[in-house]
Amino acid sequence: AQSVSQHNHHVILSEAASLELGCNYSYGGTVNLFWYVQYPGQHLQLLLKYFSGDPLVKGIKGFEAEFIKSKFSFNLRKPSVQWSDTAEYFCAVNGGYNKLIFGAGTRLAVHP
Amino acid sequence: EAGVTQFPSHSVIEKGQTVTLRCDPISGHDNLYWYRRVMGKEIKFLLHFVKESKQDESGMPNNRFLAERTGGTYSTLKVQPAELEDSGVYFCASSRSGSTEAFFGQGTRLTVV
Repeated sequence: AQSVSQHNHHVILSEAASLELGCNYSYGGTVNLFWYVQYPGQHLQLLLKYFSGDPLVKGIKGFEAEFIKSKFSFNLRKPSVQWSDTAEYFCAVNGGYNKLIFGAGTRLAVHP
Repeated sequence: EAGVTQFPSHSVIEKGQTVTLRCDPISGHDNLYWYRRVMGKEIKFLLHFVKESKQDESGMPNNRFLAERTGGTYSTLKVQPAELEDSGVYFCASSRSGSTEAFFGQGTRLTVV
């Protein structure tokens, strides 16, 4: 069955710390991977996506993610977080017809 | 360009009552999706419309849930009768035909008491 696993449910960091959120997927077809973010009180929005080509994908707001096929992983990274990065982050895989299969989400709290 | 809009933003109803959620997709987006997140768990797919047709309704939990998209514009999701386990946040998303990027609404938080 298709699934996405996010390892950390809650992460607390201080400003300027580095961030890495883990994501592993289980999907047998061609993989399209996404990271979405939901800031407090706002809608889900796309951070970045991977379809093919360079496995290191750069997104908005300084985020990047690396697709490692051998590890079925698509971890999200940011070298230096800011207070404004406080949000919930969702990893997702395209489950066919653009239906998204999401992980459980990771709540990130960044303290000034 | 207006984003995906969902109404209401919050709804509290009693068990056994009926609730109708509405989603207005971005104009011109043929694809419309409903998702649900229950109690901090993963966001789960409910169904997918292409214009007014149901492309995939494999995620609909049971026959108490009815989704419609008359005329291929806005969509409604009716829960009748509501049960306690239906509580959660219902998200709607839309995308253009051929596009892989879905745009989400803010969600409707449904609480069944």
